[in-house]
Amino acid sequence: DSGVTQTPKHLITATGQRVTLRCSPRSGDLSVYWYQQSLDQGLQFLIHYYNGEERAKGNILERFSAQQFPDLHSELNLSSLELGDSALYFCASSLQGGAEAFFGQGTRLTVV
Amino acid sequence: GQNIDQPTEMTATEGAIVQINCTYQTSGFNGLFWYQQHAGEAPTFLSYNVLDGLEEKGRFSSFLSRSKGYSYLLLKELQMKDSASYLCAVRERGRDDKIIFGKGTRLHILP
Repeated sequence: DSGVTQTPKHLITATGQRVTLRCSPRSGDLSVYWYQQSLDQGLQFLIHYYNGEERAKGNILERFSAQQFPDLHSELNLSSLELGDSALYFCASSLQGGAEAFFGQGTRLTVV
Repeated sequence: GQNIDQPTEMTATEGAIVQINCTYQTSGFNGLFWYQQHAGEAPTFLSYNVLDGLEEKGRFSSFLSRSKGYSYLLLKELQMKDSASYLCAVRERGRDDKIIFGKGTRLHILP
C-alpha cells in the first residue's frame, strides 16, 4: 500500500458526460501529479499541483481540469467525455524535493 | 522539452541478468527514476539517481551518466515475477516540476 488513495477504482460513463476523479496523497506529501495511461501506452503527464498551486502542465486537454484543495487532496475533472478518454488515470504524490513519487492504484475510466 | 527512449520489449531467462537502457534529453535534469509496473497495476518505485554512478538495491541496480544522458537498470537473478514493464522517468529541475515517463520496456522472463 503506497498510502495514496484514489476513488473510484472503476467508472463507466457515457460519451458527453462529466466525471470527477479523486486523489488523497500520502500524509505529509504536498505534491500531487496526475497521469493518463491508455491501453499499451506509457504514462502521459497531465498536471502537477504543489500545496494547492498549479506547478506544471503537460498535454492536458482543455476539457480536463484539476485542483488541489487546502487539505491537499486533489480532483481531476473530465468533461464532454469521448471514447478515447477511456484509460487508467493515476495520481502520484511526493514530498517537496523528495526522491520518490508514490502512485495510487488508479481509476479505470471506461467511456461507452 | 523532454525525450526519453527505452527499448519496447526485452526477453530474458529465469536466473539470468538483464540490462534495460534509457537515454534522455531534457532542458533541466533533477533526477531519474525507475519504476516497475505489472499490467493494470500502479507503478512501484525501484530506484532514484541524481548523481552519476551506480545505486545498488538487492537484485536491482541503477546507473546514471548525466553527461551522456544515459541510465540503465540491471536486474540480477531474474525471477518469473520480474515479468513486467520497467519505466524510466526524468524529473525536471526548477519550478516547472514535472516527472516525465518513457513508454516503458516490457520484460518477458522465460523459464
